[in-house]
Amino acid sequence: EPEVTQTPSHQVTQMGQEVILRCVPISNHLYFYWYRQILGQKVEFLVSFYNNEISEKSEIFDDQFSVERPDGSNFTLKIRSTKLEDSAMYFCASKDFPFGGGQPQHFGDGTRLSIL
Amino acid sequence: GENVEQHPSTLSVQEGDSAVIKCTYSDSASNYFPWYKQELGKRPQLIIDIRSNVGEKKDQRIAVTLNKTAKHFSLHITETQPEDSAVYFCAASRAEYGNKLVFGAGTILRVKS
Repeated sequence: EPEVTQTPSHQVTQMGQEVILRCVPISNHLYFYWYRQILGQKVEFLVSFYNNEISEKSEIFDDQFSVERPDGSNFTLKIRSTKLEDSAMYFCASKDFPFGGGQPQHFGDGTRLSIL
Repeated sequence: GENVEQHPSTLSVQEGDSAVIKCTYSDSASNYFPWYKQELGKRPQLIIDIRSNVGEKKDQRIAVTLNKTAKHFSLHITETQPEDSAVYFCAASRAEYGNKLVFGAGTILRVKS
């Protein structure tokens, strides 16, 4: 069964440094998402992406965050100047063709981001 | 904004018993309700979902019920097994156009053998 893949599995970065998290969505999927989960808390939506542009973003997704689909397969999340509170597990998800009422989002294994 | 409340936060059951987890949602336009199981350090995995044109859906030991009027949906696990132990998250979404999932806070389910 095809899967969403994320790299790296764990990223340790100094506060203030830039970090790029990478995702390869399922190949025929059209919608891409980033979520984050602070340890012990719920999964929170960051941003959705469709047709090479952001569809929706949460208030967490401020000017320090950006997303990009640099080629036909990768989907990246960049944090320009990391803060301690950015420490979390970041999940990428993708979804198939949206019509027909409710298609499931498939999640990757996540990248654990630790800011020191 | 949209919100999903989930209860209980922890649930301990004896192996073989049933477990019920309940969620309520605030956005009346929500029409897609998935349930995810997350084991420690792993990805959320979809276990069942329901759309708003259906009141109940069952898949072996797992069932989900939806009450649109009350904006309430529930997960039922029968004949629980130790491998059911995990964190369960409910979520709500407007299904069209790739809308985001709004997650509940999660329920830690422990199945004691």
